[in-house]
Amino acid sequence: SQQGEEDPQALSIQEGENATMNCSYKTSINNLQWYRQNSGRGLVHLILIRSNEREKHSGRLRVTLDTSKKSSSLLITASRAADTASYFCATDVGGDGRQLTFGSGTQLTVLP
Amino acid sequence: DAGVIQSPRHEVTEMGQEVTLRCKPISGHNSLFWYRQTMMRGLELLIYFNNNVPIDDSGMPEDRFSAKMPNASFSTLKIQPSEPRDSAVYFCASTKGGLAGREQFFGPGTRLTVL
Repeated sequence: SQQGEEDPQALSIQEGENATMNCSYKTSINNLQWYRQNSGRGLVHLILIRSNEREKHSGRLRVTLDTSKKSSSLLITASRAADTASYFCATDVGGDGRQLTFGSGTQLTVLP
Repeated sequence: DAGVIQSPRHEVTEMGQEVTLRCKPISGHNSLFWYRQTMMRGLELLIYFNNNVPIDDSGMPEDRFSAKMPNASFSTLKIQPSEPRDSAVYFCASTKGGLAGREQFFGPGTRLTVL
């Protein structure tokens, strides 16, 4: 099974609402990264959180990491229609960014 | 910076034909990755290179797949002969790696359809 597993698999919300996506993983990691993929495009890096960090912010994004539970969450506040995309977590065990294991992704739909 | 460049963007071929996918990583990045994405299996790492040397090809599905990186600015992924089950989107990504940067930068992908 994959190192990172996101839930829910799909999420549909209204514009302006917050969206929360979760990621669980199995082994110890150096860092965890979140990526976004718009339909028909490549993945784009959003944010990286190191194993010694608990929370990180970037604009409307808030990421938490709980290494004791081996889980992370991505919160998008005040969502917009343009946030509609698939979101993937990726675990980095070695810490050098060369061996990322991607989860199966959460498809987020933000309705205008 | 132009980002990671992949060609072609779309490829339609018939079973048994040879397919070659191309990638130009971001200048200065010393690691390059080939991924395959399908609905059934998600995003799978096929192979990655560090300083033009293949490091881990355990994800390459079978001998029909081969990848080369003759220099720091070019890589190819070849499928010969192609089969319908190879239909997928193939992504190339690159990174500086290590302390210089751990995020990977993805190309737009090549959508391969094998009839």
